[in-house]
Amino acid sequence: QKEVEQDPGPLSVPEGAIVSLNCTYSNSAFQYFMWYRQYSRKGPELLMYTYSSGNKEDGRFTAQVDKSSKYISLFIRDSQPSDSATYLCALEETSGSRLTFGEGTQLTVNP
Amino acid sequence: DAGVTQSPTHLIKTRGQQVTLRCSPISGHKSVSWYQQVLGQGPQFIFQYYEKEERGRGNFPDRFSARQFPNYSSELNVNALLLGDSALYLCASSLDRNNSPLHFGNGTRLTVT
Repeated sequence: QKEVEQDPGPLSVPEGAIVSLNCTYSNSAFQYFMWYRQYSRKGPELLMYTYSSGNKEDGRFTAQVDKSSKYISLFIRDSQPSDSATYLCALEETSGSRLTFGEGTQLTVNP
Repeated sequence: DAGVTQSPTHLIKTRGQQVTLRCSPISGHKSVSWYQQVLGQGPQFIFQYYEKEERGRGNFPDRFSARQFPNYSSELNVNALLLGDSALYLCASSLDRNNSPLHFGNGTRLTVT
């Protein structure tokens, strides 16, 4: 079983839709949770960085962490064609020096 | 401010050859990490260097090595290249050793033929 599971998609939505991206994990030592966006032929770009359970909002993006269920989500409101990219969840242990990534979800937002 | 810069952007090598990839971190960042990303998968951790010392190593063979210089830039070396080493090699920098957001460069695309 992988430490981090992420639905690879692909996911295709119309412009303006609410998008929900999810990851589950098995290692209770993961305490830091990140979402990265990766455009084709580019490196991952940090979108959200959270520690505690609950919600964190930044513009159209909301990150949600449920440590009891080992489940994290990223919501994108009013999705735009420019949001079309691969979204990666990444997790880190408190004492760790490395990120463990999901395999990424490919999102396409259609005009 | 300049982000993480990597060179070269693309590289084609033959099996058995050796390759060196270079990375300059964001100014003020002391930690550099290397990740390998195979097409269609998430990045896999290779190394972390902090203050010029290796602080973490992923599940990669000894053909992979790295170092960090006094100016915090870093090199990743891969010897005896295999076809399976073809991937996007990503460098990331962060302020501190642990639990500090990683900022990635755009990577070096390595093709082994």
